[in-house]
Amino acid sequence: EPEVTQTPSHQVTQMGQEVILRCVPISNHLYFYWYRQILGQKVEFLVSFYNNEISEKSEIFDDQFSVERPDGSNFTLKIRSTKLEDSAMYFCASSLGQGDQETQYFGPGTRLLVL
Amino acid sequence: GQNIDQPTEMTATEGAIVQINCTYQTSGFNGLFWYQQHAGEAPTFLSYNVLDGLEEKGRFSSFLSRSKGYSYLLLKELQMKDSASYLCAVRGATYSGGGADGLTFGKGTHLIIQP
Repeated sequence: EPEVTQTPSHQVTQMGQEVILRCVPISNHLYFYWYRQILGQKVEFLVSFYNNEISEKSEIFDDQFSVERPDGSNFTLKIRSTKLEDSAMYFCASSLGQGDQETQYFGPGTRLLVL
Repeated sequence: GQNIDQPTEMTATEGAIVQINCTYQTSGFNGLFWYQQHAGEAPTFLSYNVLDGLEEKGRFSSFLSRSKGYSYLLLKELQMKDSASYLCAVRGATYSGGGADGLTFGKGTHLIIQP
């Protein structure tokens, strides 16, 4: 069964450094998403992406964040200058479309630790 | 603001039935999802309701009343592996634009199954 994949599974970085989290959505899906989950807290929406542009973004997704689909398979989240509070699990998700096809399937996540 | 409420924790017995409630107050609505999340893992899709009524999938059923802003997830014939957090999520909570709407999650209900 097709699934969303994410790399790396774990990332440790120093405060102020840039990180790029990578995702390969399910191959025929058209909508892509990033979420984060701080330890012990709820899953929070960051951004959605469709047709090579941002469709919706939350208040969390400020100028430090950017997303890109550099080729036909990868979807990346970049954090330009990491802060301690960026430490969280970051989930990528994808969906085929709308209506009955709008179920979002989540990848296994990247655990980011900012020191 | 957007408000999605679920009980923090529930305990049930193996083989029994449990109902997990979710109430929501959101400015938009374009479907309600239930996900299961084991500790340290990604949310996995369980069910989706966009119209009022009951959706049944094997041991899991989900109900929606849009007029009451209310949903429940019903788990039957509980197994030890059902011990997990159950997340209620509303699609299009802030903007039902029909595009790549992000999901707004509740804090989740931690379900403990006892032998």
